[in-house]
Amino acid sequence: GDSVTQMEGPVTLSEEAFLTINCTYTATGYPSLFWYVQYPGEGLQLLLKATKADDKGSNKGFEATYRKETTSFHLEKGSVQVSDSAVYFCALSDPTGGFKTIFGAGTRLFVKA
Amino acid sequence: DTGVSQNPRHKITKRGQNVTFRCDPISEHNRLYWYRQTLGQGPEFLTYFQNEAQLEKSRLLSDRFSAERPKGSFSTLEIQRTEQGDSAMYLCASSTGGLNEKLFFGSGTQLSVL
Repeated sequence: GDSVTQMEGPVTLSEEAFLTINCTYTATGYPSLFWYVQYPGEGLQLLLKATKADDKGSNKGFEATYRKETTSFHLEKGSVQVSDSAVYFCALSDPTGGFKTIFGAGTRLFVKA
Repeated sequence: DTGVSQNPRHKITKRGQNVTFRCDPISEHNRLYWYRQTLGQGPEFLTYFQNEAQLEKSRLLSDRFSAERPKGSFSTLEIQRTEQGDSAMYLCASSTGGLNEKLFFGSGTQLSVL
């Protein structure tokens, strides 16, 4: 079945450092890909998405490119801030799976001032 | 848009008791999901509805779990004869459906089974 694999955390960075969180997926069809974020004490919310190969999703300085050849959707940010400290979840929605959204295990990010 | 509302926020119960959670989705959303999340893990799919129709139920769910969405609006998730392993955060999400759908999550119900 469909699945999402993320790099294990926690990831600890200093402010203004470069961030990469790896995500790879397995899907039967051609899924849409998402990154959701969960800030401390808050619910999950969509950060960005990409719906087809080579699409780049972006929001709040974060980017991720849909790479069909490597089945990856890595999250990047050029300069992290303390306020980016959160848990980040990679997810997919596959039309052959009834469009239900499947999540990875999450990667916790700590950013130090 | 009042967001997705879940009640109660917290539930403490004794093993063997039944519990019921409620989710009120965003009003124009026809798709509703239930997920379970344990500490350090991502949301685990339980079941989902398109309007009042239940489209799929996870094979991970035992027969003790049942969900309904009687009029295609709010939904309830019931767990019968609770076990300690049922302790988790139960999340509800809603969406308009489709390939590009964005899920809107509620704050969840934290269940503790003693």
